[in-house]
Amino acid sequence: KAGVTQTPRYLIKTRGQQVTLSCSPISGHRSVSWYQQTPGQGLQFLFEYFSETQRNKGNFPGRFSGRQFSNSRSEMNVSTLELGDSALYLCASSFEISSYEQYFGPGTRLTVT
Amino acid sequence: QKEVEQNSGPLSVPEGAIASLNCTYSDRVSQSFFWYRQYSGKSPELIMSIYSNGDKEDGRFTAQLNKASQYVSLLIRDSQPSDSATYLCAVNGQAGTALIFGKGTTLSVSS
Repeated sequence: KAGVTQTPRYLIKTRGQQVTLSCSPISGHRSVSWYQQTPGQGLQFLFEYFSETQRNKGNFPGRFSGRQFSNSRSEMNVSTLELGDSALYLCASSFEISSYEQYFGPGTRLTVT
Repeated sequence: QKEVEQNSGPLSVPEGAIASLNCTYSDRVSQSFFWYRQYSGKSPELIMSIYSNGDKEDGRFTAQLNKASQYVSLLIRDSQPSDSATYLCAVNGQAGTALIFGKGTTLSVSS
């Protein structure tokens, strides 16, 4: 079974721009969670989608948004990028909502200059 | 504020020794507990999950859960240099709530 895939793997953007990241979960998984990982803060939860609905949301500003499609694929968008948004963005999928085992994709490394 | 605490390390053990990684959590109603391994520059990889009190063994790995003490640990027997990584503890509270991660413990196994 194929794992979680994320595109793009690397991205360089300029402050003020916006960016869209994509995640395809493991086949049959219906829940997708997004995390931001930085050396100082560790893994921080952004949001979780299940059946196209946002079920949980972390403590991030409204510039961070996401959605899930009917095939469980998910996208997250960051608008008006700031230097502090530079991070590894990880997507994880699980069969059911977050109490089940989550499997991570390889991540998207975002650099904001 | 629900928290998951881990010693950042580094925890250094010689090859062949037992490595013991510890994690405490604040939410008393937590139901699901996970250990992830993350190599430098890679994404986290799920290595163990545990849901009930006691020990769960999988190869060289043993997860131990004590809900009364709000404590979960991971033992790695016969540690190998390839076990050198950051180990993340993750805890889920009530069903449907988000998974909360600790900041991880860095393990270094010397040959």
